[in-house]
Amino acid sequence: DAGVIQSPRHEVTEMGQEVTLRCKPISGHDYLFWYRQTMMRGLELLIYFNNNVPIDDSGMPEDRFSAKMPNASFSTLKIQPSEPRDSAVYFCASSLLGELFFGEGSRLTVL
Amino acid sequence: AQKITQTQPGMFVQEKEAVTLDCTYDTSDQSYGLFWYKQPSSGEMIFLIYQGSYDEQNATEGRYSLNFQKARKSANLVISASQLGDSAMYFCAVSIFQGAQKLVFGQGTRLTINP
Repeated sequence: DAGVIQSPRHEVTEMGQEVTLRCKPISGHDYLFWYRQTMMRGLELLIYFNNNVPIDDSGMPEDRFSAKMPNASFSTLKIQPSEPRDSAVYFCASSLLGELFFGEGSRLTVL
Repeated sequence: AQKITQTQPGMFVQEKEAVTLDCTYDTSDQSYGLFWYKQPSSGEMIFLIYQGSYDEQNATEGRYSLNFQKARKSANLVISASQLGDSAMYFCAVSIFQGAQKLVFGQGTRLTINP
């Protein structure tokens, strides 16, 4: 059974460019989470969805960040415009009955 | 809001020894879950063990056990017979229920197993 799939695994972009990170959760999972990991701030929850509906986006740093989940098998996290301080590893995770399964992460570098 | 504290930024242990990674949490909720995740140098997050707040027995998964002391709000991870492959970052996390399952993570402990 496939796990959570994230793409791209690595992204290097220039400041001001739009970045789109993608996530395919495990089939049947009803929760999807986006986390950001940096050395300074650790793992931060950005937003999470339940049955494709955003439940809590209080962790989204600012309006430059947006996330969507158009269906149960796909979610995107978009940063527009990107800034160097957005450089981090972005994890997507999905869950059913409590246990979170993480994707391998997308490492974003904004120059 | 929930808060997780891992007081050991780094630990060094000899191979085959047991190791305890500390975790304390702060939540006003009565129903919650405690998780431990391992993050090796490759970066993925690997689920290790789970303890529910109403579980009376400490959770165990192979070499991993969770020393749950509810009154002290402590959920330490014990790894028995450590192996070189246990070298990694370890994160403690708490989730509240009530229709939401978001995890709040601690800052992590970097464990190094020496041969």
